[in-house]
Amino acid sequence: RKEVEQDPGPFNVPEGATVAFNCTYSNSASQSFFWYRQDCRKEPKLLMSVYSSGNEDGRFTAQLNRASQYISLLIRDSKLSDSATYLCVVTGGSSGSARQLTFGSGTQLTVLP
Amino acid sequence: NAGVTQTPKFQVLKTGQSMTLQCAQDMNHEYMSWYRQDPGMGLRLIHYSVGAGITDQGEVPNGYNVSRSTTEDFPLRLLSAAPSQTSVYFCASSYGDPSSYNSPLHFGNGTRLTVT
Repeated sequence: RKEVEQDPGPFNVPEGATVAFNCTYSNSASQSFFWYRQDCRKEPKLLMSVYSSGNEDGRFTAQLNRASQYISLLIRDSKLSDSATYLCVVTGGSSGSARQLTFGSGTQLTVLP
Repeated sequence: NAGVTQTPKFQVLKTGQSMTLQCAQDMNHEYMSWYRQDPGMGLRLIHYSVGAGITDQGEVPNGYNVSRSTTEDFPLRLLSAAPSQTSVYFCASSYGDPSSYNSPLHFGNGTRLTVT
């Protein structure tokens, strides 16, 4: 079982749609959670951190469910510029350190005009 | 600000050759790291450093060496290239512990390496 699992997609949605991604993680000791965004053939960039109480940044909402060990990302009113791969990142992994980041393989989103 | 700078952007090597991927950051970040990204897999940590003179292994360190003689630079050396090392390599840095919500990772724009 992968330590961080994401549906690879692709998710193809029309402009203005609402889309949600889930990510499950296997390490119950993970403490920190993030969503990174990676444009095609570019470097990853932090989109938002995911806090226990959930958090919102404009059109983006992130939530954490520790009991079920998953995090989610909701994008409302999708824009063409939201087309990218979204990487789920949690702390802790097979390298042994609780502070190391483990990356999911990403969910690809394409917003269509 | 340049941020994290990686060179070269592209490289083709023959099996058995050695080379160094360069990484430099101008943000005075203490933490630096190297990841590789392969299709269908998440970024995997190769080596990391929490400060000048200190390095440690990540998840997939075999075949790679690093050193950290200055805060700014963190080169990655491939000792004897193998086709399995064909990948996209990213250098990343952060002010402090990257697992902290206050210290996000900043990535370079990557090196695409092909080993034939």
